[in-house]
Amino acid sequence: TQLLEQSPQFLSIQEGENLTVYCNSSSVFSSLQWYRQEPGEGPVLLVTVVTGGEVKKLKRLTFQFGDARKDSSLHITAAQTGDTGLYLCASYGGATNKLIFGTGTLLAVQP
Amino acid sequence: DTEVTQTPKHLVMGMTNKKSLKCEQHMGHRAMYWYKQKAKKPPELMFVYSYEKLSINESVPSRFSPECPNSSLLNLHLHALQPEDSALYLCASSSWGDSPSYEQYFGPGTRLTVT
Repeated sequence: TQLLEQSPQFLSIQEGENLTVYCNSSSVFSSLQWYRQEPGEGPVLLVTVVTGGEVKKLKRLTFQFGDARKDSSLHITAAQTGDTGLYLCASYGGATNKLIFGTGTLLAVQP
Repeated sequence: DTEVTQTPKHLVMGMTNKKSLKCEQHMGHRAMYWYKQKAKKPPELMFVYSYEKLSINESVPSRFSPECPNSSLLNLHLHALQPEDSALYLCASSSWGDSPSYEQYFGPGTRLTVT
């Protein structure tokens, strides 16, 4: 079973700071998704990366997929309090439609 | 409409009670899921339905019984639960198939407390 390790596990920063979250696996990803879960809500998809070396931007969020497709990163520039939440990487593996989630990174952005 | 709805939002039940969680989607998705999530942890897959048939059961105890009455509805019947079953129960839906890129749409969850 593919294991997705995220780091850091917890992150508390001030508004305006930059941060990077990492997602690593010992196996090659077919593709990788990043979800954000705000308090009291279900996870919401932010992005899907498919090609090794791919970089995608979503406003202040930059997502990178490693060349070997075994790692990914999420960089947030000038964090805002609205970025607070649980960030989850995820990849389909094993049985059809089985989404495997990473260990999660809990981000708190203080005003 | 990309919404997945779940009812109830909160549920408190005793260990001898029987209750049901409900989930509904109208996106035409043929895959529906139940996840269990503990605080500050990632969701753990419980069940996957494809075309109203159970396709994955992640060795979930029989006190959790899923049901998919039609392509839009998914239920989770609960009976004789334990306090450690207290968690957020999330429902999700997606397209079905071998694409590695399908987005799963999640409901807001039911916060379950077993007393």
